[in-house]
Amino acid sequence: GNSVTQMEGPVTLSEEAFLTINCTYTATGYPSLFWYVQYPGEGLQLLLKATKADDKGSNKGFEATYRKETTSFHLEKGSVQVSDSAVYFCALQAGTALIFGKGTTLSVSS
Amino acid sequence: KAGVTQTPRYLIKTRGQQVTLSCSPISGHRSVSWYQQTPGQGLQFLFEYFSETQRNKGNFPGRFSGRQFSNSRSEMNVSTLELGDSALYLCASSPGTTSYEQYFGPGTRLTVT
Repeated sequence: GNSVTQMEGPVTLSEEAFLTINCTYTATGYPSLFWYVQYPGEGLQLLLKATKADDKGSNKGFEATYRKETTSFHLEKGSVQVSDSAVYFCALQAGTALIFGKGTTLSVSS
Repeated sequence: KAGVTQTPRYLIKTRGQQVTLSCSPISGHRSVSWYQQTPGQGLQFLFEYFSETQRNKGNFPGRFSGRQFSNSRSEMNVSTLELGDSALYLCASSPGTTSYEQYFGPGTRLTVT
């Protein structure tokens, strides 16, 4: 079946550090892949997406590349800010539903 | 464009009662999906409605139901509430045809006592 595995958190970084959050998936075919971010007390915001192999999604300094060979969609940012502190969810599209990973909490200190 | 709105934002109910949550999608979006978020199970898909018809359903008991109106607004109902139903319920809307990209509302926090 379809599933998404994310690295366990929390991830604690200093401001301006490099961020990587690993995400791998199991799916039939080649689903669209997404990263969502959730700030405390809020719903999910779409951060970026990729719809086919080798696509790179990017937004607000975050990037992720759809790797078919390794079934991965790792999230990266070159220099994190305190305002990036949130929970990050990797997801794949299965029909009209989204299948989410467990989420990774990122905490950035100044 | 206004985003997805959900009402109420917070709700406290007693075990055995029923509850109805409401969601208004982004204007022009015809698909509405519902998700349950809990610390233990994470984000789980409940169901999706498109043009007033349930098009997809997750693995939840029949106590969880929903409907969609002709203006695309959607409601979900949970009957005979259990303590384990305490969760954040998120609604997401999508164009539903050429794109299935989903945009989420702020959620309804349900507490069952």
